[in-house]
Amino acid sequence: DGGITQSPKYLFRKEGQNVTLSCEQNLNHDAMYWYRQDPGQGLRLIYYSQIVNDFQKGDIAEGYSVSREKKESFPLTVTSAQKNPTAFYLCASSISAGFTDTQYFGPGTRLTVL
Amino acid sequence: GNSVTQMEGPVTLSEEAFLTINCTYTATGYPSLFWYVQYPGEGLQLLLKATKADDKGSNKGFEATYRKETTSFHLEKGSVQVSDSAVYFCALSGTNDYKLSFGAGTTVTVRA
Repeated sequence: DGGITQSPKYLFRKEGQNVTLSCEQNLNHDAMYWYRQDPGQGLRLIYYSQIVNDFQKGDIAEGYSVSREKKESFPLTVTSAQKNPTAFYLCASSISAGFTDTQYFGPGTRLTVL
Repeated sequence: GNSVTQMEGPVTLSEEAFLTINCTYTATGYPSLFWYVQYPGEGLQLLLKATKADDKGSNKGFEATYRKETTSFHLEKGSVQVSDSAVYFCALSGTNDYKLSFGAGTTVTVRA
C-alpha cells in the first residue's frame, strides 16, 4: 500500500536535546512538508521541499532543521533552540508543489519535552 | 496574506441531524479549497476539495461548494453518524503558495 509513515508515534525528550522525526513516503511524490499542530489551532508550516536536495522555510522554521537527500525521505530535527517544542508534528506530501495538488498526511508524531 | 476562518466549535449533534460548518477565506486570485478530517490521535485525511469557482466537492455524504462571490466553502452533510465525530479543517492553497493555510478546526461530536 502506498502512503506516508512517520515514526515514532510518541517521542519524549529532555530539555536541551535535539531529536529527529522520521517521515517516509512511497507515493513517488516530489513535494514534502512538515506542519506543527497545537491544541485548538490549525496546522502551521515549518518547512517544505519541492524536490530532492532543495527545501524552503515555512512560517515557523526557527529552531527546526530538515534535509532532503532522498525523494522518499524528509526528516525533521527539532533542536534545543526551539523554545516550545511540545506539539503534534505532521508530515505531508503531494505529487508536486502546485496549488491544486492534494497534500496527503502521515499519522503524526507527538513530541513531549520533559 | 491568505487566511481561513471557520466556525468555532465544539459542535454536538444527534445522529441523523444536519451538519453545516462555515468556512470563509481571504486570498488573492482563485485559490484551491480543501476540507480535511482528523480522527482522534491520527493525521489528516482529505475529505473533499474544489479548485475553481462554483465547483462542488463531495465525498462520503459531505458536500461543499466553492463560492467566489461570498469567499466561502461551507461543509454540509444531510444526516450525520456517530462515526463522523472528528475535527474538521478548512484549508486553502493560494495561487502563489506552496503551503496550505488552515482554519483552527471545528470539533464535531455526534451522539447516538
